[in-house]
Order: sequence, then structure tokens, then C-alpha cells
Amino acid sequence: DAGITQSPRHKVTETGTPVTLRCHQTENHRYMYWYRQDPGHGLRLIHYSYGVKDTDKGEVSDGYSVSRSKTEDFLLTLESATSSQTSVYFCAIRRTSGGYNEQFFGPGTRLTVL
Amino acid sequence: GENVEQHPSTLSVQEGDSAVIKCTYSDSASNYFPWYKQELGKRPQLIIDIRSNVGEKKDQRIAVTLNKTAKHFSLHITETQPEDSAVYFCAASNRDDKIIFGKGTRLHILP
Repeated sequence: DAGITQSPRHKVTETGTPVTLRCHQTENHRYMYWYRQDPGHGLRLIHYSYGVKDTDKGEVSDGYSVSRSKTEDFLLTLESATSSQTSVYFCAIRRTSGGYNEQFFGPGTRLTVL
Repeated sequence: GENVEQHPSTLSVQEGDSAVIKCTYSDSASNYFPWYKQELGKRPQLIIDIRSNVGEKKDQRIAVTLNKTAKHFSLHITETQPEDSAVYFCAASNRDDKIIFGKGTRLHILP
């Protein structure tokens, strides 16, 4: 499981409330990623990090922010949750194998915004 | 940017038969093509990958092929078993920091 945990695993919240999801890894990987998974859309990248305090946007970054203050933790924040952000969120780490982007996923967080 | 198309979206095969899932990609610089399997309620798991310097790779009942000229790659599962039922995702990556996923194929193994 590449030493990745996510918390919470399930969350129900109301529209307009802030939500923070946490990804924690124990293997000191430099790269970490946040994806959302929705039926018919596969896995879409929200944001990623390539080091402490170094982050960049993915294809669906609107409405999300991230922070990485230490190597092991990558936080995803929904400043004001909307129903369109109801989804399953997966964190991933990258194991750099000969320069190739091997990614391994955490167990996921199911978020429901009412 | 990279775009990955995956077909079919749903596939049903009789147990013991073979299953083939096909993907195309758009960026000729892509050099790494992983495949993930996701069982219901679980995380996607990397099951096999192929790199651009290789045309084919096998691991027991699973094989992947890559045609760089045509920009397509495929997953082949032989002698399918009930535990092969899952959603399968292809992906492509070049030497930047991201990988792009296909939309997935739901594979049903029929008894």
C-alpha cells in the first residue's frame, strides 16, 4: 500500500462549509497527488506537489487549494464546498523508477456535499 | 497536452475467454504506459506497465502491447477468471510530473 493513508475516509458536509482532506505517507516520497474520481470521468488530477511548499495545478483545480508544509502530509482544502464536489478523492505518491512516473494510490475519501 | 482515449467503456466476456482493452494517446513524447485495476470500493492498483522502449510485456495471464507509431497500447487478459471483474484504467505519461488516465473499462466476467 506504499504507506499511504487518507483521513477522513468518509465525510458528509453541507454546501458552503470548508473541508480539509489529509493524505499522509511514510516513505518520504517527493511527489504527491490529489485526484477526484467520478463516474464517466475516470481519475482527474486536482493538484500535485513536487516538494515541501511546491505545488502546481491539475486539470480540475478550481475550488480547491492544497498545502504541503512537510514531506509526509499533503492537504486538500475545499474552501466552500459545493454539491459538484461530491466525489471520491484519491491521494497518490510517485515512485520514481528510472525516471518513470509510477504512482500508487491511497485508500480514498468519499465526500458528500449536501 | 496529453489525451488518452480508452475503449470499450464496458466489456463482458465468458469466463475462460480473453479480454482486450485498447487505448490511444496523443502526445508522441509519452514514454510510460501503466494499467490500473480497481475493484469495487477499492483504490486503483497498478497491475502492469510498459515503457516506450518495449513493444510487449507479459505477466502471467496479463500482457500489454505498445505501438508507438500508431500511438496505441492494449491490455490483454487471457483465461479470464471471476476475480478479473473490475474497472481497468490505462494511462500515459511523458517526462513531466503528471500522468493522464483514460476513462476506464468496466470488465464483467460471465459464469
